[in-house]
Amino acid sequence: SQQGEEDPQALSIQEGENATMNCSYKTSINNLQWYRQNSGRGLVHLILIRSNEREKHSGRLRVTLDTSKKSSSLLITASRAADTASYFCFLMDTGRRALTFGSGTRLQVQP
Amino acid sequence: DAGVIQSPRHEVTEMGQEVTLRCKPISGHNSLFWYRQTMMRGLELLIYFNNNVPIDDSGMPEDRFSAKMPNASFSTLKIQPSEPRDSAVYFCASSSNRDRGGYEQYFGPGTRLTVT
Repeated sequence: SQQGEEDPQALSIQEGENATMNCSYKTSINNLQWYRQNSGRGLVHLILIRSNEREKHSGRLRVTLDTSKKSSSLLITASRAADTASYFCFLMDTGRRALTFGSGTRLQVQP
Repeated sequence: DAGVIQSPRHEVTEMGQEVTLRCKPISGHNSLFWYRQTMMRGLELLIYFNNNVPIDDSGMPEDRFSAKMPNASFSTLKIQPSEPRDSAVYFCASSSNRDRGGYEQYFGPGTRLTVT
């Protein structure tokens, strides 16, 4: 079930800059999670934000959630070349249906 | 813990053959997810089990695909008959989901399937 989308599809920045990617959805959620995938590997969990939370931090990551706009953003501050990867959002809706979104955002951090 | 284990890691088969992909979730996890990833379609959720029961199989593309979870430590995804368009990387993931909240998923290394 894919009922949302990430944007942009691709993002290229210089090392040290901030990267922002967005996730929009159409249903009511229990929580929203962001994952990272390096080329050819499985996804790795980054951060989870619950529906009653508005912002969460983990190291250089900041996630916001606006349930009224049904959107979330992932901010990576002071990016590094090692942050180059694809980023996906995943959410569990209130009916316990699991939803994940297509191609993700492909981030390229130039050294 | 060894993490999520998938087998085989690579599978090459001819069109029309049956393919069985296997997954062993992390011990103690009660949710299991099967995903398919291709360049064209991106990452697709195929099916999701909770406590060995399929909760949402709306992502299963067609009747040629079936998934089972006979016990908490094993799941299979079967394609019969396989077609070239089934070529993809298939990921299995598990998580601990003992209330209505969904917790982080741990992904296996994937099975790269090529159907010729």
